[in-house]
Amino acid sequence: EEQLVESGGGLVQPGGSHRLSCAASGFSFSDCWMSWLRQAPGKGLEWVANIKQDGSEEYYVDSVKGRFIISRDNAKNSLYLQMNSLRVEDTAVYYCARVENKHIPGPRWVSWGQGTLVTVSS
Amino acid sequence: DIQMTQSPSSLSASIGDRVTITCRASQTISNYLNWYQQKPGKAPRLLIYSTSNLQSGVPSRFSGSASGTDFTLTISSLQPEDFATYFCQQSASTPQTFGQGTKLEIK
Repeated sequence: EEQLVESGGGLVQPGGSHRLSCAASGFSFSDCWMSWLRQAPGKGLEWVANIKQDGSEEYYVDSVKGRFIISRDNAKNSLYLQMNSLRVEDTAVYYCARVENKHIPGPRWVSWGQGTLVTVSS
Repeated sequence: DIQMTQSPSSLSASIGDRVTITCRASQTISNYLNWYQQKPGKAPRLLIYSTSNLQSGVPSRFSGSASGTDFTLTISSLQPEDFATYFCQQSASTPQTFGQGTKLEIK
């Protein structure tokens, strides 16, 4: 069974840094694009970042470009999100998710972690 | 960025009802439209991908269709476990964007 488990959420001061981790199991992690998404309390879903299978390509939503870095360690089946210069508006539940784009074209997030809450507040 | 406009934002319905949720893209996205279900405190769950393809394990009462840039999620006969929030999402271009969600409640 596929499983994604995020960790590292917590309370951070504005301007501070924080790192999230996501441990993957039950699928071939190194063969998959991976994503981070987030959901502010009571709000909708927002894609944050994508990373290619070998880590050679990264994409970010404009609001986090230059502040967040997505990375992965395929030997450890792990995905990371380094968040710097955090803002109050970055407060959200952060999800890692696996991208599927096989058989029928059209990327979609087929597996999600349970989410980890990051609160940015003084 | 492609804007996804979802309607209605909330909907009250009864067990056994047929329900339709609509999503309109601000520009052409081909068939790159996915639907997710989310229950309170839980991660989203993929229901339909690429407009009309049922994700493995999803009941056949869920279906998707499109007409141009208008996309529709239909639940043919509501079951108690279907009361949740539904989101559409375009995967045609980056940033991949979501509709604002439709909260489906029990009448």
